[in-house]
Amino acid sequence: NAGVTQTPKFQVLKTGQSMTLQCAQDMNHEYMSWYRQDPGMGLRLIHYSVGAGITDQGEVPNGYNVSRSTTEDFPLRLLSAAPSQTSVYFCASREGGRNEQFFGPGTRLTVL
Amino acid sequence: DQQVKQNSPSLSVQEGRISILNCDYTNSMFDYFLWYKKYPAEGPTFLISISSIKDKNEDGRFTVFLNKSAKHLSLHIVPSQPGDSAVYFCAASETTDKLIFGTGTRLQVFP
Repeated sequence: NAGVTQTPKFQVLKTGQSMTLQCAQDMNHEYMSWYRQDPGMGLRLIHYSVGAGITDQGEVPNGYNVSRSTTEDFPLRLLSAAPSQTSVYFCASREGGRNEQFFGPGTRLTVL
Repeated sequence: DQQVKQNSPSLSVQEGRISILNCDYTNSMFDYFLWYKKYPAEGPTFLISISSIKDKNEDGRFTVFLNKSAKHLSLHIVPSQPGDSAVYFCAASETTDKLIFGTGTRLQVFP
């Protein structure tokens, strides 16, 4: 199993550009989520999904969209990037009924 | 308002000694607590967890203690090894859907 994979590893955007961060898992996990990590802030939940077709907001959802059309994939969309979205983004998944989440390797995003 | 706090940004411990990492929380509705370990340029990896109905959980060299009355939990690593050098995050959840993370403690284990 590849576990949780994220692409790209690094990305530089200009303010106002849009992009999609990809996340996929091959463990058939129902639950997937997106976090951002900023210096001194720990990890903060952006959006999460408890299954295909179901998404909900986390602590810091503004400026981000998600959709979950399949169990395996959970892309994160930035419609109009802002410098405040410069961060490291982690995708995670977990099995239904369990608390332990498995994290991907992260995407480092810089918005100029 | 930070619901999960790790007040020590860093900790330095000699190899073979005990490492104690602390975490405080404010939300009495949290019912599950986890510790994650993170190396640079990698995602966090799950280390150990504890339910609010317990006060201790052990897994090899790692033990987590929960003091509900003090809203405090700690992670003990005995004996500490150089490979344990990483950032440790405490996390808590009220439901299984959302994890609230602390800001992390950087542990350095030196020979």
